[in-house]
Amino acid sequence: GDQVEQSPSALSLHEGTGSALRCNFTTTMRAVQWFRKNSRGSLINLFYLASGTKENGRLKSAFDSKERYSTLHIRDAQLEDSGTYFCAAEPSGSFNKLTFGAGTRLAVCP
Amino acid sequence: NSKVIQTPRYLVKGQGQKAKMRCIPEKGHPVVFWYQQNKNNEFKFLINFQNQEVLQQIDMTEKRFSAECPSNSPCSLEIQSSEAGDSALYLCASRGQGKYFGPGTRLTVL
Repeated sequence: GDQVEQSPSALSLHEGTGSALRCNFTTTMRAVQWFRKNSRGSLINLFYLASGTKENGRLKSAFDSKERYSTLHIRDAQLEDSGTYFCAAEPSGSFNKLTFGAGTRLAVCP
Repeated sequence: NSKVIQTPRYLVKGQGQKAKMRCIPEKGHPVVFWYQQNKNNEFKFLINFQNQEVLQQIDMTEKRFSAECPSNSPCSLEIQSSEAGDSALYLCASRGQGKYFGPGTRLTVL
């Protein structure tokens, strides 16, 4: 079936540094979303991409359907960025299903 | 971020009892989804529907789960006879540009 492999599973960053999260897809996906789970457990939408890149503040995401991957770059990490990040992808031909990655637990340290 | 409303936030039931949770999707989003998230952060698609019609559902939901989305009323997901393995976070999402998730109903089956 459609699978989403998300890495790393856990990441520790010092304030002010940056890194990238990645999701690889085993099949062609038509779109990808990135979420952050907040302290109350709610999924906060970060990005929705059908192609290309999007940037919002210190976050930037890219999606390449042909190469079957998506990335989320965080720069100048702040303490409040700590949390669990998920990618989720829509298989080609389906507007309805959404397959989630296993999540990346990000800890930003002073 | 998301305006999807889910109630109740927490639900505790005994085995064999009915468990019902509700969702009000974002206004103007005709497609509604239910997902089950377990304690390992794994997401399982359960059912989705559009304008009161079921689009897709997995086998589990065909047997013990029922969902409906009547016009002018909240959508609902009901487990007819709860089992211990049903303990999870149940997430409702509606579709705009990408999916917007509610905060979830955490079901505990004792």
